[in-house]
Amino acid sequence: QKEVEQNSGPLSVPEGAIASLNCTYSDRGSQSFFWYRQYSGKSPELIMSIYSNGDKEDGRFTAQLNKASQYVSLLIRDSQPSDSATYLCAVMGNEKLTFGTGTRLTIIP
Amino acid sequence: DTEVTQTPKHLVMGMTNKKSLKCEQHMGHRAMYWYKQKAKKPPELMFVYSYEKLSINESVPSRFSPECPNSSLLNLHLHALQPEDSALYLCASSQVVSNQPQHFGDGTRLSIL
Repeated sequence: QKEVEQNSGPLSVPEGAIASLNCTYSDRGSQSFFWYRQYSGKSPELIMSIYSNGDKEDGRFTAQLNKASQYVSLLIRDSQPSDSATYLCAVMGNEKLTFGTGTRLTIIP
Repeated sequence: DTEVTQTPKHLVMGMTNKKSLKCEQHMGHRAMYWYKQKAKKPPELMFVYSYEKLSINESVPSRFSPECPNSSLLNLHLHALQPEDSALYLCASSQVVSNQPQHFGDGTRLSIL
């Protein structure tokens, strides 16, 4: 059973602070890693893709990948109330995308 | 605005009805997917189509029948569903299967009476 694990939260972060979301995965052969944001009642929206070890930055978002530790993270800088959502970590293996259970993030004004 | 369009947005049907969910993308993607998502759970893969051929069926009950008429369209035919099939049904597409990010439509919220 290939697993993707996330802390379900809720994670509460003050507005303007850095939100840090973590994810671990069990399949060492996984090659592609994604972060999706899902607002309540809406569909998942892709916000970051990462394929190699290290950091990848896009605006206020930074994804970090450590394949040796089987660990992916997402940092959100200058958190805004509009960042309040559930963040899903997703890992591609054997042509299937496996999602973690998601971390519910609340940004406190 | 999503580039993957799903219709209808909401569907209420009885257990004896037959209905279809539709999905369309015009991004030139050659892989399309159906997922089922229950409340407060992550999406669960149902079917994968690669170059218009069914490549993965995640042991989905036969009351769900997928169809890929062409590279832009994906249907999910529904028949004799159960109340536990009530969920958000998501269509997604990617350039090809494997290693490419998947882009989701807005989903169809299905309620079985």
